[in-house]
Amino acid sequence: DSGVTQTPKHLITATGQRVTLRCSPRSGDLSVYWYQQSLDQGLQFLIQYYNGEERAKGNILERFSAQQFPDLHSELNLSSLELGDSALYFCASSLTGENEQFFGPGTRLTVL
Amino acid sequence: AQTVTQSQPEMSVQEAETVTLSCTYDTSESNYYLFWYKQPPSRQMILVIRQEAYKQQNATENRFSVNFQKAAKSFSLKISDSQLGDTAMYFCAFMKNYGGSQGNLIFGKGTKLSVKP
Repeated sequence: DSGVTQTPKHLITATGQRVTLRCSPRSGDLSVYWYQQSLDQGLQFLIQYYNGEERAKGNILERFSAQQFPDLHSELNLSSLELGDSALYFCASSLTGENEQFFGPGTRLTVL
Repeated sequence: AQTVTQSQPEMSVQEAETVTLSCTYDTSESNYYLFWYKQPPSRQMILVIRQEAYKQQNATENRFSVNFQKAAKSFSLKISDSQLGDTAMYFCAFMKNYGGSQGNLIFGKGTKLSVKP
């Protein structure tokens, strides 16, 4: 158990819908990262937050957005969902940007 | 932009034997970190080992060790005394050292390792 929690574990929804994925980092970690794992693209970095502020952006679509709250938990919002958005979404956390990242169990999103 | 290449999509090894997984990367940075992550069938991503680019000494963690060749931009993982529980997908990852709060991992495509009894 990495100490990073993600909810829900599984999510099945329809095209065009909007979903929210939630992540709680390890106790004491200030940085939260979101990654997408799909068969086509492999593991891709989406976005990073540090102590409530956006720090880095990767291949995140405009339909996707995220935020980190004062209690340091983070949410990833995916809207206007397409079939190609089906993937495993991981949240990871670290103390700072220089430390190793610990991953949550992931949220499996299926768009039908 | 940095890239990470794992040239072996699949490998297999007999239990108790040693296996080496290859990873090469391309970067113009001099200060960075390299990692190996393991993803078993449960899909959980587990950190195996970490290497700082400024350290010449190769990192080791119990049965896991790396061969870090900075000039060649190579970072291989050696697993000694392979166990059935080592069966997993192994990802090599690169992270630039931004010197502060920023950091993100760039992953290779992975190597699927099967340990056979």
